[in-house]
Amino acid sequence: GAVVSQHPSWVICKSGTSVKIECRSLDFQATTMFWYRQFPKQSLMLMATSNEGSKATYEQGVEKDKFLINHASLTLSTLTVTSAHPEDSSFYICSARVGAPMNTEAFFGQGTRLTVV
Amino acid sequence: AQKITQTQPGMFVQEKEAVTLDCTYDTSDQSYGLFWYKQPSSGEMIFLIYQGSYDEQNATEGRYSLNFQKARKSANLVISASQLGDSAMYFCAMREGRYSSASKIIFGSGTRLSIRP
Repeated sequence: GAVVSQHPSWVICKSGTSVKIECRSLDFQATTMFWYRQFPKQSLMLMATSNEGSKATYEQGVEKDKFLINHASLTLSTLTVTSAHPEDSSFYICSARVGAPMNTEAFFGQGTRLTVV
Repeated sequence: AQKITQTQPGMFVQEKEAVTLDCTYDTSDQSYGLFWYKQPSSGEMIFLIYQGSYDEQNATEGRYSLNFQKARKSANLVISASQLGDSAMYFCAMREGRYSSASKIIFGSGTRLSIRP
């Protein structure tokens, strides 16, 4: 299947700093990528849809100024958590869709575990 | 309103037994897709099986089969001959509407499956 690479796998940052997470589609072009957040022992909650060359679409309740998404190329989307606070500590995972319809349809990165101290 | 419902927070099953994980969904679309993903403790999302709303046959992938009952809006995952490596979190997910690269996938709350030796 298609490969989605997410970096870094884990990061610890100080409260008030910003953290950038990268999501790359390695062997296909992804016009759309999705960012999810998962708190411990909970489900994946969709944060936003990242669209190449245009603004991201955020889900209700997600602060667009806090979670900056940039999708500058067909293979890279970035999520920047700005002015991170301990409550932003979570598992962030991206997903990308292959252009042609396929049964699997969504491929996921390995996820990034963010800890804000 | 919750779109995907998984009523079993946790399950324990003896190795080599079959197990059924429940999933019900809610949508007004005629065209949609249903997925099951496995998430081990490492956090990666592993695609297991897909069922399209117009597929007449229940999907099967090796030891995994999807018991799709459209009228009841249920899409239960059946794992035959369970193995210790099956211990993980299992998520049911749905894509509403026809496939497009921008169509979102939303997840249920998950079921933690533990296989006893």
